[in-house]
Amino acid sequence: GESVGLHLPTLSVQEGDNSIINCAYSNSASDYFIWYKQESGKGPQFIIDIRSNMDKRQGQRVTVLLNKTVKHLSLQIAATQPGDSAVYFCAEPQGGKLVFGQGTRLTINP
Amino acid sequence: DAGVIQSPRHEVTEMGQEVTLRCKPISGHDYLFWYRQTMMRGLELLIYFNNNVPIDDSGMPEDRFSAKMPNASFSTLKIQPSEPRDSAVYFCASRSSGNPEAFFGQGTRLTVV
Repeated sequence: GESVGLHLPTLSVQEGDNSIINCAYSNSASDYFIWYKQESGKGPQFIIDIRSNMDKRQGQRVTVLLNKTVKHLSLQIAATQPGDSAVYFCAEPQGGKLVFGQGTRLTINP
Repeated sequence: DAGVIQSPRHEVTEMGQEVTLRCKPISGHDYLFWYRQTMMRGLELLIYFNNNVPIDDSGMPEDRFSAKMPNASFSTLKIQPSEPRDSAVYFCASRSSGNPEAFFGQGTRLTVV
């Protein structure tokens, strides 16, 4: 049969607009999450993290929101810039290892 | 700190050949991870070490893949014999036991023809 590549969710935004990238998780006992950014040709890089005792955490131009009721977290990027173009992953420590979601590709329209 | 260092950055080899990927973790980190990234499967964990000991190799696809960590500053991922379906970007990452954040290398892009 025909092989199909992994279909990454894609988000396209206008430069200067805010971006919201979403991630769902399944384990209600999960207590820590990390967002990574992967630019083309590079390895994933840490952006921001959040613990389950928090609903919101802010960094420089980025905010992560955690909704434990629906097991959902989001990454908000304010005033999106061309340099924000990348694939964004949420990740969760499970035991000693870090498990990644499938990722979302963010593209910026000029 | 130079970060996690991987070599080579690119490797092109013929099917059936042995391939060895190398990784130097960040000094002081006691966890080391090998990931593989493809369009088909995304970012997959192959194996990870703690204090040079393999802890979980359930992600290693088959016996053709092996990984070693002879000391705290060096690890290898070997594929023997290589096949075209092994073509991917292989990442090494490390972290310390007190910090869940893993730091990634630049990756090795492997092409098996």
